[in-house]
Amino acid sequence: DTEVTQTPKHLVMGMTNKKSLKCEQHMGHRAMYWYKQKAKKPPELMFVYSYEKLSINESVPSRFSPECPNSSLLNLHLHALQPEDSALYLCASGSMGGAETQYFGPGTRLLVL
Amino acid sequence: QKEVEQNSGPLSVPEGAIASLNCTYSDRGSQSFFWYRQYSGKSPELIMFIYSNGDKEDGRFTAQLNKASQYVSLLIRDSQPSDSATYLCAVSKNGNNDMRFGAGTRLTVKP
Repeated sequence: DTEVTQTPKHLVMGMTNKKSLKCEQHMGHRAMYWYKQKAKKPPELMFVYSYEKLSINESVPSRFSPECPNSSLLNLHLHALQPEDSALYLCASGSMGGAETQYFGPGTRLLVL
Repeated sequence: QKEVEQNSGPLSVPEGAIASLNCTYSDRGSQSFFWYRQYSGKSPELIMFIYSNGDKEDGRFTAQLNKASQYVSLLIRDSQPSDSATYLCAVSKNGNNDMRFGAGTRLTVKP
């Protein structure tokens, strides 16, 4: 089973709202990722969690706040977003060590008004 | 110079033909190479990964890696209209967890 689930599938929020994106995997993977993808562009890495600790933050604005409550869950808390933050937000998980293969969830399509 | 470069296409091939997708990368320390397929509005789906020089075959797909030339390719034999999608090349260094994607090549297979 290589399933990564994400909720919600779609989200519309205003610039003053606070919302959270959720991601879950039960493959025993110890690395989890958040990516942002704009239309007709490749995914851009935002954050990496390794063994539930933040290992990579690609200089993402503080209005995006990741959280990894346990090895199966990954959240992305959103606050005071801008319209240009509208995008598809992808979660992925992968094994640690050696060559990692990442499996993507279906994504959350976010629209900021 | 971009870390991972792909011809954005679009690449158009007739049904039943071989589609050849190419990717070059700049970091010689890269160890792992991946091909993802992404249908419009969907998330990337892993097709193949390759770590060693040479060819790796999986059904109609063959990945080719040449580390000396910093080049990786994906061949799709007997192309089908359902293969029409954007193909993303991704590269990472082992243990770094920082997979970098190329811009993707849009493939259209015409019936």
